Amino acid sequence: EPEVTQTPSHQVTQMGQEVILRCVPISNHLYFYWYRQILGQKVEFLVSFYNNEISEKSEIFDDQFSVERPDGSNFTLKIRSTKLEDSAMYFCASSEWWSAEKLFFGSGTQLSVL
Amino acid sequence: AQSVTQPDIHITVSEGASLELRCNYSYGATPYLFWYVQSPGQGLQLLLKYFSGDTLVQGIKGFEAEFKRSQSSFNLRKPSVHWSDAAEYFCAVGAGGGSQGNLIFGKGTKLSVKP
Repeated sequence: EPEVTQTPSHQVTQMGQEVILRCVPISNHLYFYWYRQILGQKVEFLVSFYNNEISEKSEIFDDQFSVERPDGSNFTLKIRSTKLEDSAMYFCASSEWWSAEKLFFGSGTQLSVL
Repeated sequence: AQSVTQPDIHITVSEGASLELRCNYSYGATPYLFWYVQSPGQGLQLLLKYFSGDTLVQGIKGFEAEFKRSQSSFNLRKPSVHWSDAAEYFCAVGAGGGSQGNLIFGKGTKLSVKP
């Protein structure tokens, strides 16, 4: 079965540093998403992306965050200046169409900000 | 605002026993409801979903869930649990009526299975 791939599985960074989390969505999918889960809390929607632009974003997704599809296969989440509270598991997801009916999630990147 | 509550943080059941994981939601219109499972080191896998129609929905791995509008619930059930079912289970509601990828998740219920 096709799958969403996320790299790295774990990332450790210093506060204030920039990080880029990478995702390879399923090849024929057109809609892309980032979610995050802070330890012990809910999985939260961050942003959705389609046709090279953000479709929707949550209040969490402030100016420190950006997303990009730099080529035909990758989808990235950049955090410009990480804070301690950015420590979380970040999940990428993709879907073939604009529906939650068939979201495919990656296995996540655990980001630790020290 | 939409919200999802999973009242049980951790449940332990014996292998072969039945299972019910609770989920309550708050949503103004007809909800689009989902159950996801996350095994250690894995992504979120869709178990089943409810959009409309029959309120008892069947999913993968022998799971089912029943939508009860009067109780605002969408509880997940399995008649006989297997050790491989040990995982974390998340209930979610589609924030945009299911037509968008913005899902509201519950905090999850961790399931442990005793031999």
